[in-house]
Amino acid sequence: GAGVSQSPSNKVTEKGKDVELRCDPISGHTALYWYRQRLGQGLEFLIYFQGNSAPDKSGLPSDRFSAERTGESVSTLTIQRTQQEDSAVYLCASSLEGLTEKLFFGSGTQLSVL
Amino acid sequence: GESVGLHLPTLSVQEGDNSIINCAYSNSASDYFIWYKQESGKGPQFIIDIRSNMDKRQGQRVTVLLNKTVKHLSLQIAATQPGDSAVYFCAENPKGASYGKLTFGQGTILTVHP
Repeated sequence: GAGVSQSPSNKVTEKGKDVELRCDPISGHTALYWYRQRLGQGLEFLIYFQGNSAPDKSGLPSDRFSAERTGESVSTLTIQRTQQEDSAVYLCASSLEGLTEKLFFGSGTQLSVL
Repeated sequence: GESVGLHLPTLSVQEGDNSIINCAYSNSASDYFIWYKQESGKGPQFIIDIRSNMDKRQGQRVTVLLNKTVKHLSLQIAATQPGDSAVYFCAENPKGASYGKLTFGQGTILTVHP
């Protein structure tokens, strides 16, 4: 595709349930990032994947959060036992690592935990 | 009433005016700065960037100014148009951090009136 694709665009879940969010980066982009954006706030870094290197997980807020990436393609962000404070927009971005810090963002997944 | 967290600075201008959006950054070790534009329901979109060895950079209708002495960044938009209405975020990449591991500011809401 032409841009970063995220699914679902909206997810409503009940407290305590697990959710899985998906990101398809731009083809050829080796770096992939997950950010979280709470209502009315800036973006918070969560995790960064680059090729076969160990991911940088330093931004994950708790052990309920995890992410995986298959090669240089699709990534999934999983939140276990969701809490109301997890409600936010989860944004995925990709870039050509080593060449640019210019991130190309998807439109995000709006997660609402009831 | 106003929701918790919705305390973003706002700037309202008339179409055709010049706009200046300001940002204070905290990390004196940051050596790369970016401005992003985020329209409602979309992910942030790259506007312009600047490295710490410069104090000014111009793009199409936009100029970024960097004052390292007071750790201040500004985005100037010439001849502002209704399509410029969005939330604008500054972001910094601390020296030594991974590419794309950005620290975002809170954001400024720009509203352009026809």
